Amino acid sequence: KQEVTQIPAALSVPEGENLVLNCSFTDSAIYNLQWFRQDPGKGLTSLLLIQSSQREQTSGRLNASLDKSSGRSTLYIAASQPGDSATYLCAVTPAVNYKLSFGAGTTVTVRA
Amino acid sequence: GAGVSQSPSNKVTEKGKDVELRCDPISGHTALYWYRQSLGQGLEFLIYFQGNSAPDKSGLPSDRFSAERTGGSVSTLTIQRTQQEDSAVYLCASSFGAAGETQYFGPGTRLLVL
Repeated sequence: KQEVTQIPAALSVPEGENLVLNCSFTDSAIYNLQWFRQDPGKGLTSLLLIQSSQREQTSGRLNASLDKSSGRSTLYIAASQPGDSATYLCAVTPAVNYKLSFGAGTTVTVRA
Repeated sequence: GAGVSQSPSNKVTEKGKDVELRCDPISGHTALYWYRQSLGQGLEFLIYFQGNSAPDKSGLPSDRFSAERTGGSVSTLTIQRTQQEDSAVYLCASSFGAAGETQYFGPGTRLLVL
């Protein structure tokens, strides 16, 4: 069974600092990996999707890397802003089916 | 354009009652998923619909849970004889295709069983 772990569980940084969020998974046979953002009381918003053949994806201030062989992904958020405060979830799609396996998330607080 | 919508946004019910949760996927999306987000459990897969194929119900926690999708669009998740441990946020997602496509999530239904 795929286990997805996110470290740290919570993170508080001053505005302007770069954020580094870690995700690890136990089974490297994945189809892709997604990073989501969840605001309190809201659903999930997809941020980045990395295919298993890719090493990284970038969107604006966000950059996600994937090392499938070691079972790791890292989400970098440059020059953090208070609006980046949210919970960030990573999820993997197994190679054999479509069921996302989620980590527990990292709750980020960016202090103004 | 319109995203995934869910109703109701909040539901409070008494133990033993039945509840129905509704999901309207993005138009044109053939795949629809239900997930449950509980405190201490994280997000867990419940059920998956793809086109006219038989749904994958492998994530449903008990036979009190059922779901249907009418006309390949709207889906209803039904929980019979609700228990307190059913209290959670129920999230619906849809995608254009199947495996590996980006899943777009609705805002969820927050269910509280008293």
